[in-house]
Amino acid sequence: GQNIDQPTEMTATEGAIVQINCTYQTSGFNGLFWYQQHAGEAPTFLSYNVLDGLEEKGRFSSFLSRSKGYSYLLLKELQMKDSASYLCAVCTTGTASKLTFGTGTRLQVTL
Amino acid sequence: GAVVSQHPSWVICKSGTSVKIECRSLDFQATTMFWYRQFPKQSLMLMATSNEGSKATYEQGVEKDKFLINHASLTLSTLTVTSAHPEDSSFYICSANLAGLRAYNEQFFGPGTRLTVL
Repeated sequence: GQNIDQPTEMTATEGAIVQINCTYQTSGFNGLFWYQQHAGEAPTFLSYNVLDGLEEKGRFSSFLSRSKGYSYLLLKELQMKDSASYLCAVCTTGTASKLTFGTGTRLQVTL
Repeated sequence: GAVVSQHPSWVICKSGTSVKIECRSLDFQATTMFWYRQFPKQSLMLMATSNEGSKATYEQGVEKDKFLINHASLTLSTLTVTSAHPEDSSFYICSANLAGLRAYNEQFFGPGTRLTVL
């Protein structure tokens, strides 16, 4: 089976930096996705990592360590609109590249 | 590009009735479509994987006779919740796989359908 863990909730201040961690245990690892989801809406793609290291994309960066089964999403210069749930999803090899989602982290950005 | 639509966006029905949800890839042909269910304050749970012209593959614990999936074409998959009960009330989200455009098989998500069973 697969096990993907994230903190349930986090709070951070506008303008600050926040790091959301994700640990996973899986077989047939074929990459890790981060999605953002606002309440009542569909998830939107943020990043994809398949090799170790840091991927930077504007205010968002994502890191992966395959040997440790660990990833994080780094959000810089937080804005109020960043208040949302952040979902870590692991892709596995096999039929149709299935995604398994973590528990999700609800981030609240405050003034 | 890579837009996925769902219809309806929300539905309220009486217990015991059946509800059909459509998922369409509007500007691409999807090799595979996925159906997820999300309960309040929880993450997405994969229900089934749907391939055009073949039977869907259901995740463990998902009743295939209750959640009927028909993948009639490369742009349309439907999920029918049969004999719906209040515990089936949830947010149902579909996604479509777009292979080949990027180095990875990104899933594009529909806007979701909120089902409320009274």
